[in-house]
Amino acid sequence: GQSLEQPSEVTAVEGAIVQINCTYQTSGFYGLSWYQQHDGGAPTFLSYNALDGLEETGRFSSFLSRSDSYGYLLLQELQMKDSASYFCAVRVIAGNNRKLIWGLGTSLAVNP
Amino acid sequence: KAGVTQTPRYLIKTRGQQVTLSCSPISGHRSVSWYQQTPGQGLQFLFEYFSETQRNKGNFPGRFSGRQFSNSRSEMNVSTLELGDSALYLCATSMGTGDSPLHFGNGTRLTVT
Repeated sequence: GQSLEQPSEVTAVEGAIVQINCTYQTSGFYGLSWYQQHDGGAPTFLSYNALDGLEETGRFSSFLSRSDSYGYLLLQELQMKDSASYFCAVRVIAGNNRKLIWGLGTSLAVNP
Repeated sequence: KAGVTQTPRYLIKTRGQQVTLSCSPISGHRSVSWYQQTPGQGLQFLFEYFSETQRNKGNFPGRFSGRQFSNSRSEMNVSTLELGDSALYLCATSMGTGDSPLHFGNGTRLTVT
């Protein structure tokens, strides 16, 4: 089957750095995405990695290692507003279709 | 550019009834996907429509159905509602090609009593 694993909860303090890992077991891997969702809000796209390496967008970076079936989201200089759920999602090719497989999400709590 | 619009925002229905949810995509987006979100279950994929055709389907019973119109707007229908159908239903749209990211609406909160 196809599955993704990410921690259910992470806690950190303002100004710190936190890393949210995502490991996947899928066939037909195409790319790894990250989405952020605040309580009561819509998920919003953060980043996408199709190739190995680090992608940086401001305070957020995302990393992918296809050989290890592993990726992570790195959040630097944490702010209270970063408290949210973070979902990794793997895009796979299944036959003629491309599907998204979602993790269950990581709830990040940023404390003062 | 207007975002993804879902209507209604909230719905309360009783068991056995049916419900129709609507999603208007961002202009130019041809792909519309529907998700069910419940606490602890993450985002469960229902189906995806592209150019009025169902392109992908999740593992939900036949009570869940959808369609897409020529203007890319989509509707999702749930018949014979069950208590377990209570959830946030999210619509996500994209260009539908390659690696285009999903843009989500604010969802419809459905409560079945």
